[in-house]
Amino acid sequence: GPKVLQIPSHQIIDMGQMVTLNCDPVSNHLYFYWYKQILGQQMEFLVNFYNGKVMEKSKLFKDQFSVERPDGSYFTLKIQPTALEDSAVYFCASSLVGGGDNYAEQFFGPGTRLTVL
Amino acid sequence: TQTVSQSDAHVTVFEGDSVELRCNYSYGGSIYLSWYIQHHGHGLQFLLKYYSGNPVVQGVNGFEAEFSKSDSSFHLRKASVHWSDSAVYFCAVRGGGADRLTFGKGTQLIIQP
Repeated sequence: GPKVLQIPSHQIIDMGQMVTLNCDPVSNHLYFYWYKQILGQQMEFLVNFYNGKVMEKSKLFKDQFSVERPDGSYFTLKIQPTALEDSAVYFCASSLVGGGDNYAEQFFGPGTRLTVL
Repeated sequence: TQTVSQSDAHVTVFEGDSVELRCNYSYGGSIYLSWYIQHHGHGLQFLLKYYSGNPVVQGVNGFEAEFSKSDSSFHLRKASVHWSDSAVYFCAVRGGGADRLTFGKGTQLIIQP
């Protein structure tokens, strides 16, 4: 079936540095999402993105976070600067359509494990 | 605000047994419910969904789930499990009109030979 890819699979970074997580969504999908999962806890919504704009973000999406998808390339999550509490697995997802009556399955990538030292 | 509760962190059964993984939710309006499976080291794979209509929905690999409004539940079932069903199962809800999924903590299904 359709696949979402995430690069890299693991990233180790020193606190205070910048990190960019990359997501290659399903090719014809229009809606993009980031979720965060701290070890042993449930996956939590961070942000969704459509037509070049953030549509909705949660309280976990701090000011240090930003997302973009320049020219149809990777959908990225940038954290600058990183903090210890940003250590988690970050999952990207994409869907063909968004909310409302058209329920669209979100396809998930395998995740990027981010470790902030 | 919607919430999801998966009461069992782990469920252990023998291969060939039936299994039910429990999911309860709270939300006041129209709701979309789904189940995802996550094999170790992989991303989430969609299993099935419910929005309206027949409360029993069929998914891939012999899984089905039943929506109950009175119990606020969406339990996942399989009649005869296979060793390859060993994974973590996540229940997710989405309030009508919204995009974000709210996930439960997951249930790890362990299949013994």
